[in-house]
Amino acid sequence: AQSVTQLDSQVPVFEEAPVELRCNYSSSVSVYLFWYVQYPNQGLQLLLKYLSGSTLVKGINGFEAEFNKSQTSFHLRKPSVHISDTAEYFCAVSPRDDKIIFGKGTRLHILP
Amino acid sequence: ETGVTQSPTHLIKTRGQQVTLRCSSQSGHNTVSWYQQALGQGPQFIFQYYREEENGRGNFPPRFSGLQFPNYSSELNVNALELDDSALYLCASEPGQGHHTGELFFGEGSRLTVL
Repeated sequence: AQSVTQLDSQVPVFEEAPVELRCNYSSSVSVYLFWYVQYPNQGLQLLLKYLSGSTLVKGINGFEAEFNKSQTSFHLRKPSVHISDTAEYFCAVSPRDDKIIFGKGTRLHILP
Repeated sequence: ETGVTQSPTHLIKTRGQQVTLRCSSQSGHNTVSWYQQALGQGPQFIFQYYREEENGRGNFPPRFSGLQFPNYSSELNVNALELDDSALYLCASEPGQGHHTGELFFGEGSRLTVL
């Protein structure tokens, strides 16, 4: 069975500072990895995805994530956050051609 | 190109009642999935529909059922509502031809409160 652990339920960070949101997964098979973002009162939106190939994946809004197979991690990073990045971020894993499993989410608070 | 739309946006029901939630998939997407997102949790997979047939189901009881129509729109029905069914119900479509690609396009959800 697969599972996703997001290590921080909330992350406060000052505007224009860098941020890292941590995600670890467990799986006995090869998986696809995703980060989704949920802005207040909205549905989820795909931020970036890792299917294969380069372990550094770039997404929308200046976010990037690095797949680390040995540490089973897929941490999300942004070098400089903006107030508009305030949202909940979900890490997700999907075994090839199987349902996607979401983590519990990390709420990103941007401080002025 | 229209996105995924869901209705109603909010509704309140009482225990034991039945509810139907509706979803129109994104243009060109023939695969629809439903998710339950309880407060403070990530979305949990309920089931997926492709070509009007259920194509995979998560750990939800049979009182959660669905339909997909020829135009790819979908319904989620929940019978005998329980207090724990209170959640945001998300519909997601994908052009996956019945496969799970993980690249989901979500609607804004229907928030169900069960009293």
